[in-house]
Amino acid sequence: DQQVKQNSPSLSVQEGRISILNCDYTNSMFDYFLWYKKYPAEGPTFLISISSIKDKNEDGRFTVFLNKSAKHLSLHIVPSQPGDSAVYFCAAMGSARQLTFGSGTQLTVLP
Amino acid sequence: GEEVAQTPKHLVRGEGQKAKLYCAPIKGHSYVFWYQQVLKNEFKFLISFQNENVFDETGMPKERFSAKCLPNSPCSLEIQATKLEDSAVYFCASSVSGSGSKNYGYTFGSGTRLTVV
Repeated sequence: DQQVKQNSPSLSVQEGRISILNCDYTNSMFDYFLWYKKYPAEGPTFLISISSIKDKNEDGRFTVFLNKSAKHLSLHIVPSQPGDSAVYFCAAMGSARQLTFGSGTQLTVLP
Repeated sequence: GEEVAQTPKHLVRGEGQKAKLYCAPIKGHSYVFWYQQVLKNEFKFLISFQNENVFDETGMPKERFSAKCLPNSPCSLEIQATKLEDSAVYFCASSVSGSGSKNYGYTFGSGTRLTVV
């Protein structure tokens, strides 16, 4: 029973364009959502988070949107850069504080 | 330091042998989490600590896995009698208490790759 789903295993985007990564969840008790970026042989690196009481949070080139009624969130990266190529994980946090991860999306930004 | 230090980076064990993994959280972080990444992109929560106390162990296989976080020592995850299916990358993460972890996420170490042969 996957509570956090990332249905696109991979995404390719041209440099300078927008990258949109999607995530769906099923558990309405999650109160925070986070995005992590992961390079091979490294641990996940925190990117940006959003509280369930908000619908948007922005940090530089990264914006996360939350649609609570649809149980859907997305990460927008604009403009995309080749250094953004990595696996992106969506994660959700509930009262137990542990993170429940999606299965990741491999983003490739083409020069 | 400002990084979560995990040792060793790689560990190879024969089936049935014991494996012990270590994690030094960031100084001042009171929460420690262990995750297992079996398939390339699937993270499974194992256990969390608040200081030296177990906070949530709902993900821990009961029979062979144990973990500790003692004062002034790295945290450890021990697997008795390893099985082939235990082959995975084990990540440790730490966070501050309160709302800080929700705004800034957890800091992950670079993982220990356990290979059971």
